[in-house]
Amino acid sequence: GAVVSQHPSWVICKSGTSVKIECRSLDFQATTMFWYRQFPKQSLMLMATSNEGSKATYEQGVEKDKFLINHASLTLSTLTVTSAHPEDSSFYICSARGTSGELFFGEGSRLTVL
Amino acid sequence: AQSVSQHNHHVILSEAASLELGCNYSYGGTVNLFWYVQYPGQHLQLLLKYFSGDPLVKGIKGFEAEFIKSKFSFNLRKPSVQWSDTAEYFCAVRGSNYKLTFGKGTLLTVNP
Repeated sequence: GAVVSQHPSWVICKSGTSVKIECRSLDFQATTMFWYRQFPKQSLMLMATSNEGSKATYEQGVEKDKFLINHASLTLSTLTVTSAHPEDSSFYICSARGTSGELFFGEGSRLTVL
Repeated sequence: AQSVSQHNHHVILSEAASLELGCNYSYGGTVNLFWYVQYPGQHLQLLLKYFSGDPLVKGIKGFEAEFIKSKFSFNLRKPSVQWSDTAEYFCAVRGSNYKLTFGKGTLLTVNP
């Protein structure tokens, strides 16, 4: 199947700093990518839909100024957590939609904010 | 809005036992249904999916699921589990907007 890669897989940062997470579709072009957040022992919650060349669509309750999403090319979407705080610590997962409509998931990025 | 409910948070079985994980969804329109698996330390992988047609779908590694429209259910089954099936299983529903809504997941532990 198609491969989606996230980087970094694990990041620790100080409170108040910004962290960028990359999501790449390695062997296919993805016009749409999705960003999810997973809390321990809870479901994956969709944060936003990222469309190449246009602004991301955020789900209700997700702060767009806090979680900046850029989808600059057909193979790369980035999520930047700005001015991170401990409550932003979580597991962030991206998925990319292939031409068949199937979704492929990245391995996830664990963010710990001290 | 669509929602997914998985009934079991943690299931513990012995090898060779049969498995059934419950999943119920709510959505007003046509849905696509999925089961994903997340093995320890790995990313989400698609186990199987239902779009239309035969409501009994077969996936990888001997898993199957049955879509029962009248019950809004899409339960996952495997006749004989193995230790390597230890993982977290997520049921998901996708509506016409292509957004996936996940259940909270069921952790399956298979004891050798």
